[in-house]
Amino acid sequence: GNSVTQMEGPVTLSEEAFLTINCTYTATGYPSLFWYVQYPGEGLQLLLKATKADDKGSNKGFEATYRKETTSFHLEKGSVQVSDSAVYFCALRIQGAQKLVFGQGTRLTINP
Amino acid sequence: DAMVIQNPRYQVTQFGKPVTLSCSQTLNHNVMYWYQQKSSQAPKLLFHYYDKDFNNEADTPDNFQSRRPNTSFCFLDIRSPGLGDAAMYLCATSGTGRYEQYFGPGTRLTVT
Repeated sequence: GNSVTQMEGPVTLSEEAFLTINCTYTATGYPSLFWYVQYPGEGLQLLLKATKADDKGSNKGFEATYRKETTSFHLEKGSVQVSDSAVYFCALRIQGAQKLVFGQGTRLTINP
Repeated sequence: DAMVIQNPRYQVTQFGKPVTLSCSQTLNHNVMYWYQQKSSQAPKLLFHYYDKDFNNEADTPDNFQSRRPNTSFCFLDIRSPGLGDAAMYLCATSGTGRYEQYFGPGTRLTVT
């Protein structure tokens, strides 16, 4: 089946630290990969996406590269800010399917 | 800006009293989804409409129903809410040929 596994949270970092949130997937077919961010009390916002192997998605200083050989899509940011505190979800969608398959989410807290 | 709108943002209902949550979109997307999310867990898909075609998830309780009277609007009806139905309900949309989903801000449902 199709599944997404994210690194266990919560993750706590100091401002300006380097961030990595690991995400690996299992999929039949060729998935598109996404990172969504959810701020407290809000819906999910699409942070970045990649639709084929070796694509790099980027937005707001965050990056993730679609690695087919390691079935991974790790989220990185070089210098985090307090405002990046949120829950981050990795997700995939198989071509031809309507559903998103989510990871369990990783709660990130950035301390000043 | 094109967007997904959910009303109300907060809804309180009594145990067993029917409640309807609404979602509208200005994106002109043909697919609309309803998710249930508890305590920052991953969203759980309840059902989706592909145009007028309704697609129910196998594990969605019969207590949950949906209506889509036109492209722009979609409703979630909970016929007899139980305490376990207290959650954030998220509406999302997706357009033809696009793999990402766009989420509304959610409605937080409290059952008393």
